[in-house]
Order: sequence, then C-alpha cells, then structure tokens
Amino acid sequence: IQMTQSPSSVSASVGDRVTITCRAGQGLNNWLAWYQQRPGQGPTLLIHGASTLQSGVPSRFSGSGSGTEFTLTISSLQPEDFATYYCQEAHSFPVTFGQGTRLEIK
Amino acid sequence: QVSLQESGPGLVRPSETLSLTCTVSGGSISGYYWSWVRQTPGEGLQWIGYILYSGSTSYNPSLKSRVTMSVETSENQFSLKLSSVTAADTAVYYCARRGNSFPRYYMDVWGKGTTVTVSS
Repeated sequence: IQMTQSPSSVSASVGDRVTITCRAGQGLNNWLAWYQQRPGQGPTLLIHGASTLQSGVPSRFSGSGSGTEFTLTISSLQPEDFATYYCQEAHSFPVTFGQGTRLEIK
Repeated sequence: QVSLQESGPGLVRPSETLSLTCTVSGGSISGYYWSWVRQTPGEGLQWIGYILYSGSTSYNPSLKSRVTMSVETSENQFSLKLSSVTAADTAVYYCARRGNSFPRYYMDVWGKGTTVTVSS
C-alpha cells in the first residue's frame, strides 16, 4: 500500500501546534501507526491503531483519522520533539511506511 | 526494559552475503515476533521480514529470494542473512520487536541500527 505523508518537512517553534498528514492508497481499517525518529536512533512508536497513544508517550501527541487519511498532531511542541515522523500501515503484507516528515526548529 | 543491539560487518563486498545479529537484552526472546527493517535515503524505511521465537518466518516478497532469518533462543539472539548483495542494499539495518499486545504488526522496541555499506 502506498503511503504518502505531507508535508515532507515543516518548520515550527517551541509551543506551536503541528499537524502531519498521512494518506494511504487504500483503506486501512485504522491499522496505522506513527513513529518518531531522532538522528542516530531507531524509530520510537508513538501511536498505534490510528489513535491509541503508546504507553509512556506524552499526551501532547495525538492521532486521528480513518479509512485513507490520518493525522498526527503535536499540541505544544517541546524541544525534544524536533525529529522525523513516519506513518506505517499494518493492514497489508508487507507493512509499508510513509516517506517521513522532518520537523525542524524555526 | 528491553533493548536491542545490532551487530555485524559494516562493509560487505558485492555479490557476497550480508550477515547481522540482533541481541535482545532485558527480556526474553520467547513469545514475540522479531523483525528486520532497513532504511536508505532514497527508499526510506523498508520492512524486510520477521521471525517468530519458534522459528517461523515471513519475508517481504521483494527480498524473499535472498533473505534468511534464524533465531537462537539460548543466546537471546536472532539473525539476518541477505545474499547476493549489491550497492542497493547499502542501508542502516534495524532490528525491532512486534508488541505482542497489538492485533496488528506494530513495532514497539527498536535497536539503534547498524550501517552496512556494499562496496568493493
């Protein structure tokens, strides 16, 4: 399944609200995850099932959407949130990822 | 807290076999699915396949003819072999765990990754 994220990069300031979109080539039945990746590290699971916050993830992260369009929102950016974010569909075999959205400090 | 560590050669010659091992620390390898995922600047993140602790495997069809995964439960390790490598296999390789409370394939623990370069 083709996964398309937008934007590919975004600049924002600490305290801003940011939304990232992920569109799927076909319906996913909400089988979608979001990951955060900092430089030099592996991805970290933030959200699964489109909207369920993974244990230990701050509540400023939230996910929404259904079918083919999903969003990740960070309600108030913190310095540690500047990273790259990926969506991953878990509806088909093999699972596939979006191309990533780089969140940069303005 | 479970952690994963990839290890293996950082340089592999074209046409040879890439071999990596993932060591699981702070928890048991039993009861979980274990994956390999690779990342390149051009292709992004690509799921390579998984191995269950019992030894059952499933591979990405795009790589299936060249991939072999194995598990060594006594060592709390699992491994990846990718044969007949080319420059296109140059990537950062991650090992990851599927969380066993999830109804679908989400990966809740990842290693830091190891860079493998294919070059003569």
